Amino acid sequence: GESVGLHLPTLSVQEGDNSIINCAYSNSASDYFIWYKQESGKGPQFIIDIRSNMDKRQGQRVTVLLNKTVKHLSLQIAATQPGDSAVYFCAENNRYNTDKLIFGTGTRLQVFP
Amino acid sequence: NAGVMQNPRHLVRRRGQEARLRCSPMKGHSHVYWYRQLPEEGLKFMVYLQKENIIDESGMPKERFSAEFPKEGPSILRIQQVVRGDSAAYFCASSRGTQASNQPQHFGDGTRLSIL
Repeated sequence: GESVGLHLPTLSVQEGDNSIINCAYSNSASDYFIWYKQESGKGPQFIIDIRSNMDKRQGQRVTVLLNKTVKHLSLQIAATQPGDSAVYFCAENNRYNTDKLIFGTGTRLQVFP
Repeated sequence: NAGVMQNPRHLVRRRGQEARLRCSPMKGHSHVYWYRQLPEEGLKFMVYLQKENIIDESGMPKERFSAEFPKEGPSILRIQQVVRGDSAAYFCASSRGTQASNQPQHFGDGTRLSIL
């Protein structure tokens, strides 16, 4: 069945370093991916999305890379700040799946000063 | 522009009672989604609604759970005869259109449901 999973449950980085959060998906029909950030007690906050016709997309301090060959997605955060500490989820959707998102289990990012 | 508004933020119910969770989508958004999240887990899709229509309820339990998005007013997720296993955070998301048209879902801050 469909699944979206993450390689690293917890990632600890030094403030100012770059962070890379990884995500694997298993459904080759997936064609839309979103990264969300969730802080404690809050809902998921949209960070960036990417369609399967792209392999890279950049935002402010964030870059998403998509490798369809190995069904892998990553989120890169440049110059990580304490405010980036949160749980990060990747979510996927495909054209056969209405609009429901399938979420991975999350990676906790801890930023140390 | 206000975000997705959910209320109440916290809801405590005893086993057997009913829980009603409300969600007001962002202004201009006509698509509403409900998800459920257990501690330390990802969100699980429950139901997708447009005004007065259920589009996809494949994630809804067959019994006790229902959802609506009336022509006027918020979307409601209703859980009848709650049991301990219903304790979770319930999140609502809304979007302006479908993801096929590059319209991502934006989430509210959830309702934390606790069953005594």
